[in-house]
Amino acid sequence: RKEVEQDPGPFNVPEGATVAFNCTYSNSASQSFFWYRQDCRKEPKLLMSVYSSGNEDGRFTAQLNRASQYISLLIRDSKLSDSATYLCAVKGGGGADGLTFGKGTHLIIQP
Amino acid sequence: EPEVTQTPSHQVTQMGQEVILRCVPISNHLYFYWYRQILGQKVEFLVSFYNNEISEKSEIFDDQFSVERPDGSNFTLKIRSTKLEDSAMYFCASSDYWAGRYEQYFGPGTRLTVT
Repeated sequence: RKEVEQDPGPFNVPEGATVAFNCTYSNSASQSFFWYRQDCRKEPKLLMSVYSSGNEDGRFTAQLNRASQYISLLIRDSKLSDSATYLCAVKGGGGADGLTFGKGTHLIIQP
Repeated sequence: EPEVTQTPSHQVTQMGQEVILRCVPISNHLYFYWYRQILGQKVEFLVSFYNNEISEKSEIFDDQFSVERPDGSNFTLKIRSTKLEDSAMYFCASSDYWAGRYEQYFGPGTRLTVT
């Protein structure tokens, strides 16, 4: 059974702090990895794909550890607008493969 | 920026009725998907669609569900005889191939309430 596990939180973090989330996946055949952001009762919005070498997009850094089957997301200099639920998602390499999502980690940035 | 659109935003129906949820994927995308999210739970994959046929489906996507691309722009999900447990947000997504992978973009969802 394919599973993606995340700490549900909530993570309460002061504005300007750095916060990190991890996500573990059980299907070793997974090929593609993503972080999505979901605001309350809204759609998942693609935050970033996660590459084997790690990748950075502004204040966000994602890492993949295939050997340990986990993915991480680091948010630096957190803003109030970063408050949301962060969803980890994995899939196979084909276009038809559906995403398997975790339940998400709830982040609250406090002023 | 192109985006996936969905209609209606909210659909209320009685148990046993048929509903059709509509989506317009991003125009140059080739793969289309339906997902659902029951309140408080995770987003779950239902089905993927490519080249006018179903490519993959999950165990949730049973005989009461069907998908169709009736024209060049719309992509629909039909639930034949709705049950109370079908109440959920239904998200449509589409994907393109970018930098070595298929990235899926989601529409705003249709909230289905079955009474």
